[in-house]
Amino acid sequence: EPEVTQTPSHQVTQMGQEVILRCVPISNHLYFYWYRQILGQKVEFLVSFYNNEISEKSEIFDDQFSVERPDGSNFTLKIRSTKLEDSAMYFCASSENTEAFFGQGTRLTVV
Amino acid sequence: EDQVTQSPEALRLQEGESSSLNCSYTVSGLRGLFWYRQDPGKGPEFLFTLYSAGEEKEKERLKATLTKKESFLHITAPKPEDSATYLCAVQAPRNTDKLIFGTGTRLQVFP
Repeated sequence: EPEVTQTPSHQVTQMGQEVILRCVPISNHLYFYWYRQILGQKVEFLVSFYNNEISEKSEIFDDQFSVERPDGSNFTLKIRSTKLEDSAMYFCASSENTEAFFGQGTRLTVV
Repeated sequence: EDQVTQSPEALRLQEGESSSLNCSYTVSGLRGLFWYRQDPGKGPEFLFTLYSAGEEKEKERLKATLTKKESFLHITAPKPEDSATYLCAVQAPRNTDKLIFGTGTRLQVFP
């Protein structure tokens, strides 16, 4: 069964460093998303991406964040100059129409 | 403001003891209501999409229903493997494809 794949599963980084979280969406899907979940809190929308551009972003998704689809299969989230409060699970999702399918997440720990 | 509220926060059931989880929503123009299952440290796993009041969907021991203000996830004769957090999310037209999640109901089923 097709699935969304995320790497790495766990990333530890020092405050102020840049991280890139990687995702391989389901191959025939056209819509891509990043969500995050701080421990014990709701899953929160960050950004949606369609046709090689951002279609919507939340207030959380400020200049510190960027997304890219560098080739036909990968979808990345870059966080520049990480802060302690960026520690969370980051989920990539993709959809063909309305149902979004999520990856297993990358646990980002900023120390 | 679009909002999703789930209750109860946590539910402990004996194996075989049926129950229901509630998801109340406030959204202008519901485009879809989604149920996901989330295991600890994992990404949300898609269960159901409901589009209009009166709609019902079933999968094994789970049945989801929708009214104009809320959705229920009914669990019939649950087993320990049904233990997970169940997330409800809504999608509204004016917010494009973004999902707005509730905080979830943490279900524990004991043998």
